[in-house]
Amino acid sequence: DAGITQSPRHKVTETGTPVTLRCHQTENHRYMYWYRQDPGHGLRLIHYSYGVKDTDKGEVSDGYSVSRSKTEDFLLTLESATSSQTSVYFCAIRGQDYSPLHFGNGTRLTVT
Amino acid sequence: GENVEQHPSTLSVQEGDSAVIKCTYSDSASNYFPWYKQELGKGPQLIIDIRSNVGEKKDQRIAVTLNKTAKHFSLHITETQPEDSAVYFCAASRDYGQNFVFGPGTRLSVLP
Repeated sequence: DAGITQSPRHKVTETGTPVTLRCHQTENHRYMYWYRQDPGHGLRLIHYSYGVKDTDKGEVSDGYSVSRSKTEDFLLTLESATSSQTSVYFCAIRGQDYSPLHFGNGTRLTVT
Repeated sequence: GENVEQHPSTLSVQEGDSAVIKCTYSDSASNYFPWYKQELGKGPQLIIDIRSNVGEKKDQRIAVTLNKTAKHFSLHITETQPEDSAVYFCAASRDYGQNFVFGPGTRLSVLP
């Protein structure tokens, strides 16, 4: 695997609580992404970053925020978790233009 | 925006047979098409990719073909083995690959 670590790997939380997922990379890649994966929907982009402090929204960004204060870390925050945010979340990195995404092993989040 | 369709959603083949998965895309500006394999509990792993200036690319038992006019691309796996059983995702990206749009996935089962 590319040097990507997602934490935690599993989390159960209650509706209305804040949750932060972390993605850490050791590849010094410029681009970092957060996707969610749900049955029948494939992978959908939540937010991505093209540099430190540079982020942009993806297809399903409502209810999520991100931050990138260092090249190696990209945080995804659910300010007030809802049951519709139960999903598997994948972080991905990419080094340069026309290069593929490399994914972490995911975080399974359950909101009860 | 881009929309990627993928067929079939499930595919069962006998070991040693070939498997073909087809994707269609809507944005004629898309020009980079990777394929990913996802095993249970893991993140998607890149298996092959193709750029729009190439019609076909092979890597051992795996090949990808691209028809820009029809806006579709296909994954071909020959001499399938049980370890090829997984979920396969296609994706499309335009320009510098800032955003990848994924198909919904194909679950391939190779029966011994």
